[in-house]
Amino acid sequence: EVQLVESGGGSVQPGGSLRLSCAMSGFTFNSFEMNWVRQAPGKGLEWVSYISSNGITRYYADSVKGRFTIARDDAKNSLFLQMNSLRAEDTAVYYCARTMYAWGLLGGVGMDVWGQGTTVTVSS
Amino acid sequence: DIVMTQSPLSLPVTPGEPASISCRSSQSLLHSNGYNYFNWYLQKPGQPPHLLIYLSSKRASGVPDRFSASGSDTDSTLKISTVEAEDVGVYYCMQALQTPYTFGLGTKVEIK
Repeated sequence: EVQLVESGGGSVQPGGSLRLSCAMSGFTFNSFEMNWVRQAPGKGLEWVSYISSNGITRYYADSVKGRFTIARDDAKNSLFLQMNSLRAEDTAVYYCARTMYAWGLLGGVGMDVWGQGTTVTVSS
Repeated sequence: DIVMTQSPLSLPVTPGEPASISCRSSQSLLHSNGYNYFNWYLQKPGQPPHLLIYLSSKRASGVPDRFSASGSDTDSTLKISTVEAEDVGVYYCMQALQTPYTFGLGTKVEIK
């Protein structure tokens, strides 16, 4: 069974740091591009970051650029999100999501597998 | 950034009746491969989003055939042919053409 399990969430004061992890199983991790998506309480979905299958290419939402870093460890089948200089507006459930591919097409076409999410609360 | 605009934001439905949700993108989602990069997700309470539709009209694996979608390079409509009670939740459209990937605000579907 394909599965993504996030961990590392918690409560932190503004300006603090957290490192989220996403462990995956049931598929060949190093073949897939991966993403982080977040959802603030009672709000919609916001894409946060992307990393290519080889870890070289990384993209970030403007709202987190310069503060968050996405990384992967293929040997551990894990995806990470290092979050620094946290702000109250970073409070959200953070999901890792696998990029989906379609037969015959180059590149991803969306996100097909999502974890259950881990909650980050930034408050003084 | 590409802005995704959904309507309506709230949709009361009756089981057994059809329902539809619209999504408009601020830019064309047409890829050079000829596909429009619209996705549709359903998020049930307390759960992560679940992929329903990708490439504008392709149903994801395991999605019931009562769900369908169609449209153009800037518009997509998700249709439920016959609503079932389990279809309640928030539906999101998303553009997967370019980063930052962006979502609509969501349409909350609930039983009348």
